[in-house]
Amino acid sequence: QVQLVESGGGVVQPGRSLRLSCAASGFTLSTYGMYWVRQAPGKGLEWLTSISYDGSYIYYADSVKGRFTISRENSKNTLYLQMNSLRTEDTAVYYCAKCRVTYDVDDAFDIWGQGTMVTVSS
Amino acid sequence: DIQMTQSPSSLSASVGDRVTITCRASQGIGNCFAWYQQKSGKVPKVLIYAASTLQSGVPSRFSGSGSGTDFTLTISSLQPEDVATYYCQKCDSAPLTFGGGTKVEIK
Repeated sequence: QVQLVESGGGVVQPGRSLRLSCAASGFTLSTYGMYWVRQAPGKGLEWLTSISYDGSYIYYADSVKGRFTISRENSKNTLYLQMNSLRTEDTAVYYCAKCRVTYDVDDAFDIWGQGTMVTVSS
Repeated sequence: DIQMTQSPSSLSASVGDRVTITCRASQGIGNCFAWYQQKSGKVPKVLIYAASTLQSGVPSRFSGSGSGTDFTLTISSLQPEDVATYYCQKCDSAPLTFGGGTKVEIK
């Protein structure tokens, strides 16, 4: 069964850091581009970042560029999102998602994790 | 960056009605365009990819069309289980922007 499971969310103070993980199972992570998407409470979906299957191509939304870092450890079937200098407006459910096709990063997202909540508050 | 304008932001229709949601890009985009359904409290699910291709397992009452700047999601006969928020997304190149969403309810 193809599955993504996020972890690492929680409550953090503004300015602090947090690292999210996304454990993949049921497919070969090393052949798929991956993504992080967030959804603030009561709001829509916001794409944050993409990483190609081998990590050679990485893209960020302007809202997180310079603060968030996506990475992957294919040997551990895990995707990461390092979030630094967190702001109250970063409060959201964070989802990891998988690219629909292999060896690409520009396509639809066919599998999503269940999401992990990040709350940035003093 | 290309902006995605989705309309309407909400709609209410009767069971069996034909429902149409549109998404307009501020510039022409490639064929990589997707539609997602998110039911309340649930994870988004892809319905349509490549603008008009139905994802496996999605009911055939859902269809997508369009190219360039204008894209459409149609539900041919609205069912109670279709109550959800629908999002469009450009996926041709980063940023992979989502539309603002359309909340669909039953009248």
